[in-house]
Amino acid sequence: DQQVKQNSPSLSVQEGRISILNCDYTNSMFDYFLWYKKYPAEGPTFLISISSIKDKNEDGRFTVFLNKSAKHLSLHIVPSQPGDSAVYFCAASDDMRFGAGTRLTVKP
Amino acid sequence: NAGVTQTPKFRVLKTGQSMTLLCAQDMNHEYMYWYRQDPGMGLRLIHYSVGEGTTAKGEVPDGYNVSRLKKQNFLLGLESAAPSQTSVYFCASRNLGPDLNEQFFGPGTRLTVL
Repeated sequence: DQQVKQNSPSLSVQEGRISILNCDYTNSMFDYFLWYKKYPAEGPTFLISISSIKDKNEDGRFTVFLNKSAKHLSLHIVPSQPGDSAVYFCAASDDMRFGAGTRLTVKP
Repeated sequence: NAGVTQTPKFRVLKTGQSMTLLCAQDMNHEYMYWYRQDPGMGLRLIHYSVGEGTTAKGEVPDGYNVSRLKKQNFLLGLESAAPSQTSVYFCASRNLGPDLNEQFFGPGTRLTVL
């Protein structure tokens, strides 16, 4: 059973615009969520995280929003840059479950 | 610091052969993990360890064994490889602590089983 879901396998946006990547989870007991970024032929790298006691966490161009009632989190990238093109995974920290990933392409 | 390293980077096996993937970390992390990544499936946890001498099963442990004899090393073994084990394998580690949830990943091992 997939407890962490990323239902959009891909997303394409124009440079300078906002990218919004979504993630849903089923276990209301999860209390910490993370986003990772992965380039081809490399391991994932940590991007940003959020605790369940917060509904927003911001780090430069990256903001993660958490809606506990909807069991939904989203990653906003503003403004998007071509170097942001990668696969993004969301994960629930409690049992290290990852979503299937969303491939973001930022076009110049 | 080298971080998390994985050996080998690539390997081709025939069905039924065995092999061991080695993961090493120099960050003195307690927790270590093995994942496999398949198209459309994301990262799936195979086995993990919460400290030297300990191992536990993840989501997809069948066909794999692990050992954590030293804190810095986590070995993943395939006793009798099958084509379904063709995948990219990632090792990760992290430290203890309520806010230290970030995992550090190795570069991956691409395994093909013919």
